Amino acid sequence: KAGVTQTPRYLIKTRGQQVTLSCSPISGHRSVSWYQQTPGQGLQFLFEYFSETQRNKGNFPGRFSGRQFSNSRSEMNVSTLELGDSALYLCASSLRGGSGYEQYFGPGTRLTVT
Amino acid sequence: DQQVKQNSPSLSVQEGRISILNCDYTNSMFDYFLWYKKYPAEGPTFLISISSIKDKNEDGRFTVFLNKSAKHLSLHIVPSQPGDSAVYFCAANSGNTPLVFGKGTRLSVIA
Repeated sequence: KAGVTQTPRYLIKTRGQQVTLSCSPISGHRSVSWYQQTPGQGLQFLFEYFSETQRNKGNFPGRFSGRQFSNSRSEMNVSTLELGDSALYLCASSLRGGSGYEQYFGPGTRLTVT
Repeated sequence: DQQVKQNSPSLSVQEGRISILNCDYTNSMFDYFLWYKKYPAEGPTFLISISSIKDKNEDGRFTVFLNKSAKHLSLHIVPSQPGDSAVYFCAANSGNTPLVFGKGTRLSVIA
């Protein structure tokens, strides 16, 4: 099976712009989660989608949003970019999400905001 | 409030010896625990998991131990190899809640 893919892999944006990141989960997986990783902060949970519905949301401002399509592919959007949004954004897919189901990560999108 | 803690930011071990990575948690509702390995500029790779109904799970060189009364889990790697050098994250969840990750431990295996 193909793994989780994320596009683009690298992105440079200017403060104030918006950005859309894409994630294609492993075939058959219905849960997609997004995380932000910054140096020293570990993986911070953004949100999880299951069957096109947002099931969980982390403690991030409303500038961060996401959606999931009927084929389980997911996108996340960050509007009005700030310098502090520079990070590695990771997507993970799971058969059903939640306890008992492993999450498998994509390679990430490295976002740099200047 | 950090629900999952990895108190050792780094660990150095000689090749061939045992690596022991530790993780503590505070939420007694957690019932599923996982370990991930991460190389720079890559996504985390799933290593091994354990359900709260077990106290040990083994997969090749990797063994995870769970001590529910102490709210502690550990990952043992035997024997350690240079390719094991990476950052290791433990994570936990329950029900449909999202995974909560520790901040990671950087393992260096010295040849």
